[in-house]
Amino acid sequence: ETGVTQTPRHLVMGMTNKKSLKCEQHLGHNAMYWYKQSAKKPLELMFVYSLEERVENNSVPSRFSPECPNSSHLFLHLHTLQPEDSALYLCASSQDGQGGRKQYFGPGTRLTVT
Amino acid sequence: QKEVEQNSGPLSVPEGAIASLNCTYSDRVSQSFFWYRQYSGKSPELIMSIYSNGDKEDGRFTAQLNKASQYVSLLIRDSQPSDSATYLCAVINNAGNMLTFGGGTRLMVKP
Repeated sequence: ETGVTQTPRHLVMGMTNKKSLKCEQHLGHNAMYWYKQSAKKPLELMFVYSLEERVENNSVPSRFSPECPNSSHLFLHLHTLQPEDSALYLCASSQDGQGGRKQYFGPGTRLTVT
Repeated sequence: QKEVEQNSGPLSVPEGAIASLNCTYSDRVSQSFFWYRQYSGKSPELIMSIYSNGDKEDGRFTAQLNKASQYVSLLIRDSQPSDSATYLCAVINNAGNMLTFGGGTRLMVKP
């Protein structure tokens, strides 16, 4: 256990559904991240929150909407997704807020869009 | 050119041998480098970090950094079947606010 939890662990949703992924870190870190991991592709950074403010969103489609209400919680709101959005979504956290110090990952949410 | 490059493998080594995993990066001013291990179906786990040229040892793992050649490697001594996983190299960008991952090298340690 890394101290980063994610729920749900598995999610199947239709293209017209709205769902949210949740991440919580118990490490006292001040930065949190969303990554997407697709088969045979490198980990892709989606969003960075440092001190609860979005720092980098890396040109992610608007059907993905992040929310960071405090330094321990991070959400990824999903709506009108496409089948190509099926992937493992990973949350990570770090201290320092500089986006790159040691990042610790949660177990991920395996998302399938039908 | 990819920012962080790794041979996808699989790299196959016999049990007890040294596994050598390599990574090159394009941003010359990168300062921090990490190795993550990812088992199939699991999330990445940080195993090594290195910030200065030279070697850094931690148990059976040794990270090596050569900034002049923009090259970082991971050596695993006395490889075990439980080391079989994908190893991800990650580099902090010039601005220091993004971690860029390579595609990973799949390591297979055969008994």
